Amino acid sequence: GENVEQHPSTLSVQEGDSAVIKCTYSDSASNYFPWYKQELGKRPQLIIDIRSNVGEKKDQRIAVTLNKTAKHFSLHITETQPEDSAVYFCAASVLSGGYNKLIFGAGTRLAVHP
Amino acid sequence: SAVISQKPSRDICQRGTSLTIQCQVDSQVTMMFWYRQQPGQSLTLIATANQGSEATYESGFVIDKFPISRPNLTFSTLTVSNMSPEDSSIYLCSAGDSGETQYFGPGTRLLVL
Repeated sequence: GENVEQHPSTLSVQEGDSAVIKCTYSDSASNYFPWYKQELGKRPQLIIDIRSNVGEKKDQRIAVTLNKTAKHFSLHITETQPEDSAVYFCAASVLSGGYNKLIFGAGTRLAVHP
Repeated sequence: SAVISQKPSRDICQRGTSLTIQCQVDSQVTMMFWYRQQPGQSLTLIATANQGSEATYESGFVIDKFPISRPNLTFSTLTVSNMSPEDSSIYLCSAGDSGETQYFGPGTRLLVL
């Protein structure tokens, strides 16, 4: 079945450093890739997404890159701050039964140390 | 983006009982979904709530255990039936117009004793 693998499972960085989280997906028909941030005890929040017709998208300190040939996409956070500490989930859309649904990666716990 | 609320926010239930979770969206949406998230784990899709027809369940989830209603384009319910301690989890609903961009409710934290 469809699968999304996410690495690393945990990531620890110093404030100001960059953080990179990588995901691979199995369904070559997937064409939408969102990233969610989930703080402790809170709901997952959509922070950035990318569609398969573009290779990169930026929003201030976060960016996502997509390599459709290799079926992988990555989240880049620059100039990390303590408030970036959270669990990040990648996802890929799959078409099933005539509608789209999301398959989530296992998550990356990011800790940003002051 | 849609604003989504859930009730209850948390509950403690006895085994063998059932709990119905409500999900309300502030605007009409085509797609609503129900997920389960075990502590420290990822999101697992339980089912897609279809307006006007039966929900579509993912592998490992059945209607008898997780009946779902979707009476209109802004509301859905998930019932966790005949609960056991293994059902203790966070249950999240999400909504969107295409099944791609999804916004999540705050979740319902369920503890079954």
